Amino acid sequence: GQQLNQSPQSMFIQEGEDVSMNCTSSSIFNTWLWYKQDPGEGPVLLIALYKAGELTSNGRLTAQFGITRKDSFLNISASIPSDVGIYFCAGHQGGANSKLTFGKGITLSVRP
Amino acid sequence: NAGVTQTPKFRVLKTGQSMTLLCAQDMNHEYMYWYRQDPGMGLRLIHYSVGEGTTAKGEVPDGYNVSRLKKQNFLLGLESAAPSQTSVYFCASSYSRTGRAFFGQGTRLTVV
Repeated sequence: GQQLNQSPQSMFIQEGEDVSMNCTSSSIFNTWLWYKQDPGEGPVLLIALYKAGELTSNGRLTAQFGITRKDSFLNISASIPSDVGIYFCAGHQGGANSKLTFGKGITLSVRP
Repeated sequence: NAGVTQTPKFRVLKTGQSMTLLCAQDMNHEYMYWYRQDPGMGLRLIHYSVGEGTTAKGEVPDGYNVSRLKKQNFLLGLESAAPSQTSVYFCASSYSRTGRAFFGQGTRLTVV
């Protein structure tokens, strides 16, 4: 089946640092999405991307839809303690029976 | 606006017992999904529905059944619970073709 690859499983950064994470796939997706999950909560949508090459920002977060449509990256600038959580990428092919496929997630820790 | 509501939030089952998890959404979304989340495994799709009266299998459908009798509700059933089904279950819904999914708060299920 389709797989989205996210690595490493965990990242540790210092408060104030920037961090980038990427997501790759062997399949083409028409929509790429990035979610964040806080402990004990459901994932919350951060950014959605709909066109190859698209670059979208949401505050300190910037995400890009790869030109090949097989990858995407998320950048967090000037990290703060509340950025801790699990970051998931997800892809959607957009067909009539398409489903949303998730990566395994990256757990981000921010040291004050 | 409640969004996506899951009931119950916590449940402990004995091996062999059955139960139904309820997901309700008030956003008139066509697509609904059931995922399970296990440590290090990310979000794995169990079953999904692209509209009222339709269901389809995801990555890990064995041991689960679903029904979508009403557009706003998506039920996940465990006929004979097993310890391997101990997990956190998330329901999500989205408009068709965009993949912008909204998640519920999750149900933590323990099978002993």
